[in-house]
Amino acid sequence: EVQLLESGGGLVQPGGSLRLSCAASGFTFSSYAMSWVRQAPGKGLEWVSTISGGGSTDYADSVKGRFTISRDNSKNTLFLQMNSLRAEDTAVYYCVNTFGGVIVNPPDNWGQGTLVTVSS
Amino acid sequence: QSVLTQPPSASGTPGQRVTISCSGSSSNIGSNYVYWYQQLPGTAPKLLIYRNNQRPSGVPDRFSGSKSGTSASLAISGLRSEDEADYYCAAWDDSLSGQVFGSGTKVTVL
Repeated sequence: EVQLLESGGGLVQPGGSLRLSCAASGFTFSSYAMSWVRQAPGKGLEWVSTISGGGSTDYADSVKGRFTISRDNSKNTLFLQMNSLRAEDTAVYYCVNTFGGVIVNPPDNWGQGTLVTVSS
Repeated sequence: QSVLTQPPSASGTPGQRVTISCSGSSSNIGSNYVYWYQQLPGTAPKLLIYRNNQRPSGVPDRFSGSKSGTSASLAISGLRSEDEADYYCAAWDDSLSGQVFGSGTKVTVL
């Protein structure tokens, strides 16, 4: 059974930083592209970033230059380093694996999400 | 502003058929597969349809997907109370080099 367990969310001041982690199990992590998708309170889904099994990355324009996605294939863990946080980054952040592991495919499995609140 | 356009709401009585549309462009739906997700209240989204019209194991055949040109649709037949949820379409966008999601449709069972 695929499991994706996010951690690291919390309350942070505008301009601050936060690092999210996602522990993955139940599939061959190193062979799968992984993504972060967020959902602001009461709003729809927004793709944030994707990383291939080999480390190639893509970012949404809204976070480019501020967020960095990375992975540790030896520990089956995905990360999202978030810097220069803004109020509009407030959202539940979901860790997802892409369908079939292919980088251009939308998500297959979703974690339970971790809430990031940016507020003073 | 979502790249893929969905109606904000849809409704039906138990047993009815409900259809949700998803409108995009040549750079997303027109050239890539469409996926659909169901998000029950207070939970994470769940994959409902992949590659336009395929159902993952465990998804009832009451749910079906289709695609034509730059639009796609999700149909729910034999509507049940447990189908009350938000539904999202998604696809890769070649121009943006990223995933795009629909604005979401809230389905209400009357």
